[in-house]
Amino acid sequence: DAKTTQPPSMDCAEGRAANLPCNHSTISGNEYVYWYRQIHSQGPQYIIHGLKNNETNEMASLIITEDRKSSTLILPHATLRDTAVYYCIVRSHLNTGTASKLTFGTGTRLQVTL
Amino acid sequence: KAGVTQTPRYLIKTRGQQVTLSCSPISGHRSVSWYQQTPGQGLQFLFEYFSETQRNKGNFPGRFSGRQFSNSRSEMNVSTLELGDSALYLCASTPRRGGGEQYFGPGTRLTVT
Repeated sequence: DAKTTQPPSMDCAEGRAANLPCNHSTISGNEYVYWYRQIHSQGPQYIIHGLKNNETNEMASLIITEDRKSSTLILPHATLRDTAVYYCIVRSHLNTGTASKLTFGTGTRLQVTL
Repeated sequence: KAGVTQTPRYLIKTRGQQVTLSCSPISGHRSVSWYQQTPGQGLQFLFEYFSETQRNKGNFPGRFSGRQFSNSRSEMNVSTLELGDSALYLCASTPRRGGGEQYFGPGTRLTVT
């Protein structure tokens, strides 16, 4: 799976959009971009994933650049409850031998403030 | 639908002892993975079970083992505990192999003294 690079920390004011970047310049054509978050002392929570088109669900939007070398997770109206560590993970759906293995990096610690 | 449950939530053991942790996946989910989380190493994959068989293993010593039952429930065992085994152990389930959307339990916090 491709390596990802994320800023170690970010701040966001409550009510504003939080834009979390991820660089995955070595991503290959069959690899998806996944986002998870982990609120302090809880298990990670799946947020969203995508291959090349932008995706949106009730939690967030995922914008993937045309060359797929980077992506941005957008929380449209951040709240204090969104304070967490956000992980960007790149993985392939083709290798079922390692299918369920997620390789977590160090993530971005998002602090939402009043 | 109930989420992934893990028991116990907290555990204190002494060096040299062994421990068994339990995970009940979401109903209908057949794949269960285990992860270890420590401040120094972050989240690391331990192993994955599907249809009662270990399908994938991370880079951990043989003291770490697991199994899966016919109802998809899983247990992991750590023998001869070391201080460095103190960690949050997380279980995740997914409906099928190949699914990247994994659903994590709250974890078991193991402290080895």
